[in-house]
Amino acid sequence: QQQVKQSPQSLIVQKGGIPIINCAYENTAFDYFPWYQQFPGKGPALLIAIRPDVSEKKEGRFTISFNKSAKQFSLHIMDSQPGDSATYFCAASRSMETSGSRLTFGEGTQLTVNP
Amino acid sequence: IAGITQAPTSQILAAGRRMTLRCTQDMRHNAMYWYRQDLGLGLRLIHYSNTAGTTGKGEVPDGYSVSRANTDDFPLTLASAVPSQTSVYFCASSVRGRTNEQFFGPGTRLTVL
Repeated sequence: QQQVKQSPQSLIVQKGGIPIINCAYENTAFDYFPWYQQFPGKGPALLIAIRPDVSEKKEGRFTISFNKSAKQFSLHIMDSQPGDSATYFCAASRSMETSGSRLTFGEGTQLTVNP
Repeated sequence: IAGITQAPTSQILAAGRRMTLRCTQDMRHNAMYWYRQDLGLGLRLIHYSNTAGTTGKGEVPDGYSVSRANTDDFPLTLASAVPSQTSVYFCASSVRGRTNEQFFGPGTRLTVL
């Protein structure tokens, strides 16, 4: 059972466009929602993260929007560049869980930004 | 080194053979994790360890075992490999209790024939 659902599976935009990747979660106990970026042949790396006490977080060109009532969150990439082409994963966890910060990942979105 | 190393980088294995994937971190993180990555399924947790000497099962533990004899090393063993274990395996670590950020290694691509 996939507790975090991510869409779309793939996304192609032109340089300067604003790709949006969406995620929905089921477990209302989740209280930490990160996005990871993965380039081909590399491990994922943390891009940006949000906790449910805020509805939006910006870091540079990357923004997370969070809707607690709908149990949804999304990643927006402003002024996208070819160098943003990568696979993006959303994830969720319970920070107070005794088993540490176990992350539940979405299925991933392969983003291509054309020049 | 700074971060997580994994070995081997890639491996082709005959079904039924035993294989150990190695993972070492030098960040003194207390928590470590093993994931497998499959297209369309994202990253799925196999096993984890909150601290040296303890381990736990993740979402897809069957066919895998782990040990955590010390802080730095967290090997993953496939006792008798099967083709469905063909995947890319990632090791990760985090500082439990301070932040949820996990740091990932470069991965091991495993093919079981």
